[in-house]
Amino acid sequence: GQQVMQIPQYQHVQEGEDFTTYCNSSTTLSNIQWYKQRPGGHPVFLIQLVKSGEVKKQKRLTFQFGEAKKNSSLHITATQTTDVGTYFCAGPDNYGQNFVFGPGTRLSVLP
Amino acid sequence: GAGVSQSPRYKVAKRGQDVALRCDPISGHVSLFWYQQALGQGPEFLTYFQNEAQLDKSGLPSDRFFAERPEGSVSTLKIQRTQQEDSAVYLCASTIGGGSYNEQFFGPGTRLTVL
Repeated sequence: GQQVMQIPQYQHVQEGEDFTTYCNSSTTLSNIQWYKQRPGGHPVFLIQLVKSGEVKKQKRLTFQFGEAKKNSSLHITATQTTDVGTYFCAGPDNYGQNFVFGPGTRLSVLP
Repeated sequence: GAGVSQSPRYKVAKRGQDVALRCDPISGHVSLFWYQQALGQGPEFLTYFQNEAQLDKSGLPSDRFFAERPEGSVSTLKIQRTQQEDSAVYLCASTIGGGSYNEQFFGPGTRLTVL
Protein backbone atom coordinates (compact mmCIF):
# COMPACT_ATOMS: atom_id res chain seq x y z
CA GLY A 1 0.00 0.00 0.00
CA GLN A 2 0.90 3.66 -0.18
CA GLN A 3 3.52 4.80 2.30
CA VAL A 4 4.45 8.28 3.45
CA MET A 5 7.77 8.72 5.22
CA GLN A 6 9.25 11.70 6.99
CA ILE A 7 12.75 12.55 8.13
CA PRO A 8 14.08 13.32 10.58
CA GLN A 9 11.97 11.73 13.29
CA TYR A 10 13.20 14.25 15.86
CA GLN A 11 14.96 17.58 15.61
CA HIS A 12 16.32 19.67 18.45
CA VAL A 13 17.35 23.20 17.55
CA GLN A 14 18.43 26.30 19.37
CA GLU A 15 15.99 29.17 19.11
CA GLY A 16 16.85 31.19 16.04
CA GLU A 17 18.21 28.25 14.06
CA ASP A 18 16.52 27.00 10.92
CA PHE A 19 14.63 23.71 10.65
CA THR A 20 13.64 21.49 7.73
CA THR A 21 11.54 18.35 7.56
CA TYR A 22 11.24 16.16 4.49
CA CYS A 23 8.30 14.07 3.34
CA ASN A 24 8.43 11.26 0.77
CA SER A 25 5.58 9.27 -0.71
CA SER A 26 5.86 5.88 -2.38
CA THR A 27 3.36 7.04 -5.01
CA THR A 28 2.64 10.25 -6.91
CA LEU A 29 0.27 12.50 -5.01
CA SER A 30 -2.49 14.70 -6.37
CA ASN A 31 -1.87 17.05 -3.47
CA ILE A 32 -0.12 17.14 -0.13
CA GLN A 33 -1.16 18.73 3.13
CA TRP A 34 0.89 19.74 6.15
CA TYR A 35 -0.39 19.74 9.72
CA LYS A 36 1.07 20.82 13.05
CA GLN A 37 0.26 19.12 16.33
CA ARG A 38 1.28 20.82 19.54
CA PRO A 39 2.07 18.60 22.54
CA GLY A 40 -1.23 17.37 23.96
CA GLY A 41 -3.18 18.91 21.10
CA HIS A 42 -4.72 17.81 17.84
CA PRO A 43 -3.46 18.25 14.26
CA VAL A 44 -4.07 21.70 12.81
CA PHE A 45 -3.99 22.32 9.07
CA LEU A 46 -1.13 24.48 7.83
CA ILE A 47 -1.23 24.36 4.04
CA GLN A 48 -2.05 22.38 0.92
CA LEU A 49 0.17 22.09 -2.15
CA VAL A 50 -1.26 20.93 -5.45
CA LYS A 51 1.00 21.86 -8.35
CA SER A 52 4.27 20.24 -9.33
CA GLY A 53 7.19 22.33 -8.05
CA GLU A 54 4.87 24.59 -6.06
CA VAL A 55 6.37 26.79 -3.34
CA LYS A 56 4.25 28.55 -0.73
CA LYS A 57 5.30 30.77 2.14
CA GLN A 58 3.60 31.58 5.42
CA LYS A 59 5.71 34.12 7.31
CA ARG A 60 8.74 32.08 8.44
CA LEU A 61 7.47 28.81 6.95
CA THR A 62 8.27 27.72 3.38
CA PHE A 63 6.59 24.70 1.84
CA GLN A 64 7.70 22.96 -1.35
CA PHE A 65 6.13 20.25 -3.50
CA GLY A 66 8.54 18.25 -5.61
CA GLU A 67 8.52 18.23 -9.38
CA ALA A 68 7.50 14.57 -9.43
CA LYS A 69 4.82 15.22 -6.78
CA LYS A 70 6.24 12.47 -4.59
CA ASN A 71 8.09 14.57 -2.05
CA SER A 72 7.66 17.75 -0.10
CA SER A 73 9.49 19.81 2.46
CA LEU A 74 8.75 22.31 5.20
CA HIS A 75 11.41 24.82 6.15
CA ILE A 76 11.16 27.12 9.15
CA THR A 77 13.49 30.10 9.29
CA ALA A 78 14.71 31.39 12.65
CA THR A 79 12.72 29.02 14.85
CA GLN A 80 10.85 30.29 17.88
CA THR A 81 9.63 28.41 20.94
CA THR A 82 6.10 28.68 19.54
CA ASP A 83 7.19 26.40 16.67
CA VAL A 84 7.48 23.44 19.06
CA GLY A 85 5.34 20.48 18.01
CA THR A 86 5.10 17.62 15.56
CA TYR A 87 4.79 18.37 11.86
CA PHE A 88 2.93 15.87 9.71
CA CYS A 89 2.58 15.63 5.97
CA ALA A 90 -0.42 13.81 4.54
CA GLY A 91 -1.50 12.77 1.09
CA PRO A 92 -4.58 11.11 -0.37
CA ASP A 93 -4.43 7.41 -0.97
CA ASN A 94 -4.47 5.95 -4.47
CA TYR A 95 -8.25 6.19 -4.61
CA GLY A 96 -8.45 9.66 -3.08
CA GLN A 97 -10.90 8.54 -0.42
CA ASN A 98 -8.72 8.88 2.61
CA PHE A 99 -5.47 10.39 3.76
CA VAL A 100 -2.20 8.72 4.61
CA PHE A 101 -0.24 10.61 7.25
CA GLY A 102 3.49 10.44 7.68
CA PRO A 103 4.93 9.53 11.08
CA GLY A 104 5.79 13.17 11.76
CA THR A 105 8.86 15.14 12.73
CA ARG A 106 8.95 16.28 16.33
CA LEU A 107 10.58 19.68 16.74
CA SER A 108 12.03 20.88 20.01
CA VAL A 109 13.26 24.47 20.29
CA LEU A 110 15.64 25.32 23.09
CA PRO A 111 15.42 28.92 24.30
CA GLY B 1 -20.61 25.02 16.19
CA ALA B 2 -17.19 26.52 16.67
CA GLY B 3 -15.33 23.38 15.74
CA VAL B 4 -15.29 19.61 15.81
CA SER B 5 -16.13 18.21 19.22
CA GLN B 6 -15.58 14.73 20.57
CA SER B 7 -16.81 12.96 23.67
CA PRO B 8 -15.78 11.65 26.01
CA ARG B 9 -12.33 13.24 26.07
CA TYR B 10 -10.99 10.37 28.17
CA LYS B 11 -12.23 6.83 28.51
CA VAL B 12 -10.88 4.04 30.64
CA ALA B 13 -12.24 0.60 29.87
CA LYS B 14 -11.56 -2.83 31.21
CA ARG B 15 -10.47 -5.37 28.66
CA GLY B 16 -13.54 -6.93 27.10
CA GLN B 17 -15.83 -3.94 27.59
CA ASP B 18 -17.59 -2.19 24.74
CA VAL B 19 -17.03 1.56 24.19
CA ALA B 20 -18.71 4.21 22.06
CA LEU B 21 -16.94 7.38 20.98
CA ARG B 22 -18.86 10.33 19.63
CA CYS B 23 -17.90 12.97 17.09
CA ASP B 24 -19.81 16.16 16.32
CA PRO B 25 -18.40 17.62 13.11
CA ILE B 26 -18.61 21.23 12.03
CA SER B 27 -22.18 21.93 10.96
CA GLY B 28 -22.65 21.45 7.24
CA HIS B 29 -19.44 19.53 6.71
CA VAL B 30 -19.99 16.74 4.24
CA SER B 31 -17.07 14.46 5.00
CA LEU B 32 -16.04 12.87 8.26
CA PHE B 33 -12.93 10.85 9.02
CA TRP B 34 -11.91 8.70 11.98
CA TYR B 35 -8.24 8.18 12.80
CA GLN B 36 -6.36 6.23 15.44
CA GLN B 37 -3.21 7.82 16.81
CA ALA B 38 -0.82 5.79 18.92
CA LEU B 39 1.68 7.60 21.13
CA GLY B 40 4.44 9.18 19.08
CA GLN B 41 2.87 8.16 15.76
CA GLY B 42 0.95 9.86 13.02
CA PRO B 43 -2.83 9.50 12.68
CA GLU B 44 -3.80 6.20 11.06
CA PHE B 45 -6.92 6.23 8.90
CA LEU B 46 -9.82 4.13 10.12
CA THR B 47 -12.88 5.07 8.11
CA TYR B 48 -14.46 7.82 5.99
CA PHE B 49 -18.04 9.04 5.55
CA GLN B 50 -19.50 11.30 2.93
CA ASN B 51 -22.79 12.42 4.40
CA GLU B 52 -24.34 9.21 5.80
CA ALA B 53 -22.54 6.88 3.41
CA GLN B 54 -19.50 5.05 4.68
CA LEU B 55 -17.33 5.12 1.58
CA ASP B 56 -14.18 3.58 3.01
CA LYS B 57 -13.72 1.40 6.07
CA SER B 58 -10.51 -0.24 4.98
CA GLY B 59 -8.59 1.06 7.98
CA LEU B 60 -10.75 -0.54 10.66
CA PRO B 61 -8.39 -3.01 12.40
CA SER B 62 -10.93 -5.75 13.00
CA ASP B 63 -14.62 -6.55 12.98
CA ARG B 64 -14.70 -5.34 16.59
CA PHE B 65 -14.64 -1.80 15.22
CA PHE B 66 -17.81 -0.30 13.82
CA ALA B 67 -18.66 3.26 12.80
CA GLU B 68 -21.87 4.94 11.77
CA ARG B 69 -23.19 8.35 10.77
CA PRO B 70 -26.90 7.69 10.30
CA GLU B 71 -28.08 11.22 9.60
CA GLY B 72 -24.99 12.58 7.97
CA SER B 73 -23.89 14.66 10.93
CA VAL B 74 -22.91 13.10 14.27
CA SER B 75 -20.82 9.95 14.05
CA THR B 76 -20.14 7.18 16.54
CA LEU B 77 -17.17 4.84 16.58
CA LYS B 78 -17.90 1.68 18.54
CA ILE B 79 -15.31 -0.78 19.71
CA GLN B 80 -16.53 -4.11 20.99
CA ARG B 81 -14.65 -6.35 23.42
CA THR B 82 -11.82 -3.85 23.82
CA GLN B 83 -8.25 -5.12 23.90
CA GLN B 84 -5.14 -3.47 25.31
CA GLU B 85 -3.84 -2.79 21.81
CA ASP B 86 -6.89 -0.58 21.24
CA SER B 87 -5.42 1.98 23.66
CA ALA B 88 -4.80 5.13 21.63
CA VAL B 89 -6.19 8.56 20.87
CA TYR B 90 -9.12 8.42 18.47
CA LEU B 91 -9.35 11.54 16.32
CA CYS B 92 -12.29 12.70 14.28
CA ALA B 93 -11.93 15.20 11.42
CA SER B 94 -14.42 16.82 9.10
CA THR B 95 -14.14 18.63 5.79
CA ILE B 96 -16.55 20.97 4.07
CA GLY B 97 -16.66 18.94 0.86
CA GLY B 98 -15.88 15.52 -0.49
CA GLY B 99 -12.67 14.50 -2.16
CA SER B 100 -9.10 15.04 -1.08
CA TYR B 101 -8.63 18.76 -1.68
CA ASN B 102 -10.19 19.98 1.53
CA GLU B 103 -8.65 21.12 4.78
CA GLN B 104 -9.36 18.66 7.57
CA PHE B 105 -10.59 20.12 10.85
CA PHE B 106 -9.71 17.83 13.73
CA GLY B 107 -11.47 17.42 17.03
CA PRO B 108 -9.57 17.22 20.33
CA GLY B 109 -9.67 13.42 20.30
CA THR B 110 -10.76 10.76 22.76
CA ARG B 111 -7.95 9.11 24.70
CA LEU B 112 -8.91 5.47 25.25
CA THR B 113 -7.04 3.43 27.82
CA VAL B 114 -7.82 -0.27 28.04
CA LEU B 115 -6.71 -1.94 31.24
